[in-house]
Amino acid sequence: SQTIHQWPATLVQPVGSPLSLECTVEGTSNPNLYWYRQAAGRGLQLLFYSVGIGQISSEVPQNLSASRPQDRQFILSSKKLLLSDSGFYLCAWRPMSQLSSYEQYFGPGTRLTVT
Amino acid sequence: QQPVQSPQAVILREGEDAVINCSSSKALYSVHWYRQKHGEAPVFLMILLKGGEQKGHEKISASFNEKKQQSSLYLTASQLSYSGTYFCGTEPSFGAGGYQKVTFGTGTKLQVIP
Repeated sequence: SQTIHQWPATLVQPVGSPLSLECTVEGTSNPNLYWYRQAAGRGLQLLFYSVGIGQISSEVPQNLSASRPQDRQFILSSKKLLLSDSGFYLCAWRPMSQLSSYEQYFGPGTRLTVT
Repeated sequence: QQPVQSPQAVILREGEDAVINCSSSKALYSVHWYRQKHGEAPVFLMILLKGGEQKGHEKISASFNEKKQQSSLYLTASQLSYSGTYFCGTEPSFGAGGYQKVTFGTGTKLQVIP
């Protein structure tokens, strides 16, 4: 069966510090991968998505970047965090083979607080 | 563009029914529905694909009107466990811009009370 991991689960970082969040999917190959951010009490904002290794689409111009160094690994980074970067970061994966039903599943999330 | 959900919030008594609507300005390939409990990640409920299908999941079902670019989630005989925020996610059709990209509405907060 497929599982998705995110770490760390919680993170407190000072303004101006770097960030690296990691997401890994097991039990599938060539999934679509997505990063979303949810501010407190708000909806889900799509940040980046990837349909393959090295293929990243950015949805929101900001101080965040994403990379997909391996088929089932998706990394969210920042060189300098802003207070507005606080939120709940969710990675999601989606099987895109012809045999799948294209459902999208979320990981457990990383709760980031920028102080 | 993110889909528009309505209502923004609803309070139900146990056993009552509710409908949550989701509409998009783009031609759609799929609509996804999720429920999120406070402090947790969203949980997948169902996906409806282009073709105007209707799906069911226990007492929760959904419809997808492809021509109107709308979907509705139906919760019948609500239970306390149904409380949470419901999100619809939409994926544009190939050629409509953003194929394989799922964007979400602002959510509908549902509270079921005894």
